[in-house]
Amino acid sequence: SAVISQKPSRDICQRGTSLTIQCQVDSQVTMMFWYRQQPGQSLTLIATANQGSEATYESGFVIDKFPISRPNLTFSTLTVSNMSPEDSSIYLCSVGIAGVADTQYFGPGTRLTVL
Amino acid sequence: ILNVEQSPQSLHVQEGDSTNFTCSFPSSNFYALHWYRWETAKSPEALFVMTLNGDEKKKGRISATLNTKEGYSYLYIKGSQPEDSATYLCALGLSSGSARQLTFGSGTQLTVLP
Repeated sequence: SAVISQKPSRDICQRGTSLTIQCQVDSQVTMMFWYRQQPGQSLTLIATANQGSEATYESGFVIDKFPISRPNLTFSTLTVSNMSPEDSSIYLCSVGIAGVADTQYFGPGTRLTVL
Repeated sequence: ILNVEQSPQSLHVQEGDSTNFTCSFPSSNFYALHWYRWETAKSPEALFVMTLNGDEKKKGRISATLNTKEGYSYLYIKGSQPEDSATYLCALGLSSGSARQLTFGSGTQLTVLP
């Protein structure tokens, strides 16, 4: 397994501003992912954070809105840009560890409220 | 778009009761079925991963079964305790594309009343 931390744990932001969420892992991992859970919805994959190259975004998510950095194998950031109330969600990072069926391990999440 | 469905959406049980909930998924291109427990303000915790039809896994009072032919998995909790209160998520991994990508259901929120 891996120990994953996220900062901030929660934030309340104004419409039109941006927030950067950090994800730190205690060991080097190949696969890192960013998810969000909007109220009442499933955990939805935003993108796969690739070390040394651009992130791979899922349908419905774009780099301009959710820029992602992955400077090394233990750290990644997700920025939520030009926020609106619809961006109010829990944002989670996860890592994939090679093993049985590639179980993912999650950070504690960042609870974002946009006013 | 994959449809991973969980039922019920929420559930209240008394301490000591046993309970179960369901995860339904499309059976084509199946690779793995994961169960997670997510307590408020904590990280989702991996409970089980199952890959073979007929798999059964157990951890303490919690167990899970898998039927890949009909596309469902059951999670059982025996003798529920208040500390079992959490949202239980299932997630499907497919053999096509990246096996590491997971598609989650919307979860079953369990409340165990003392």
